[in-house]
Amino acid sequence: KQEVTQIPAALSVPEGENLVLNCSFTDSAIYNLQWFRQDPGKGLTSLLLIQSSQREQTSGRLNASLDKSSGRSTLYIAASQPGDSATYLCAVNLGAGNMLTFGGGTRLMVKP
Amino acid sequence: NAGVMQNPRHLVRRRGQEARLRCSPMKGHSHVYWYRQLPEEGLKFMVYLQKENIIDESGMPKERFSAEFPKEGPSILRIQQVVRGDSAAYFCASSGGSHQPQHFGDGTRLSIL
Repeated sequence: KQEVTQIPAALSVPEGENLVLNCSFTDSAIYNLQWFRQDPGKGLTSLLLIQSSQREQTSGRLNASLDKSSGRSTLYIAASQPGDSATYLCAVNLGAGNMLTFGGGTRLMVKP
Repeated sequence: NAGVMQNPRHLVRRRGQEARLRCSPMKGHSHVYWYRQLPEEGLKFMVYLQKENIIDESGMPKERFSAEFPKEGPSILRIQQVVRGDSAAYFCASSGGSHQPQHFGDGTRLSIL
């Protein structure tokens, strides 16, 4: 059974800092991995999707890496801003059934 | 708005009533997924549907819960005889094909009195 863990569960940083969010998964036979952002009372916004054959994806100030063999992904946020405050979720897709298995999320607070 | 549309946004039911949650996928998407987020817990997969077919319902409780995605109209998640433990946010996602990125709606927050 696939388990996804995110560390830390919560993070508070001053504006402008670069930060790294971690995601680990137990079954390395994944099809892809997706990073999402969730604002309070809202749905999920897809940030980056990394296919199993890829090592990283970049979008603006965000960079996600994937190391399948070690069961890890990181989301790097450069020059953090207060508007980045949200819960960040990683989810893996094993392929069969196409369901996403989510981690518990990291609640990020960026202080002005 | 071309995004995933869920309604209602908030739904209040008394114990024993039925709850119907609706989801219209993004235009052009024929794959729909339902997830549940219990208070203080992560999102859990419930069911995966394509038009008129249930592909995977391994995450759905065996009793009281059902889902459909008819040829015409939105996908419906139906919960019969609701109990307090059904209180949660229910999210729908859609994709253009299997293994394509899933796009989420804003969810329906179900409260059981």
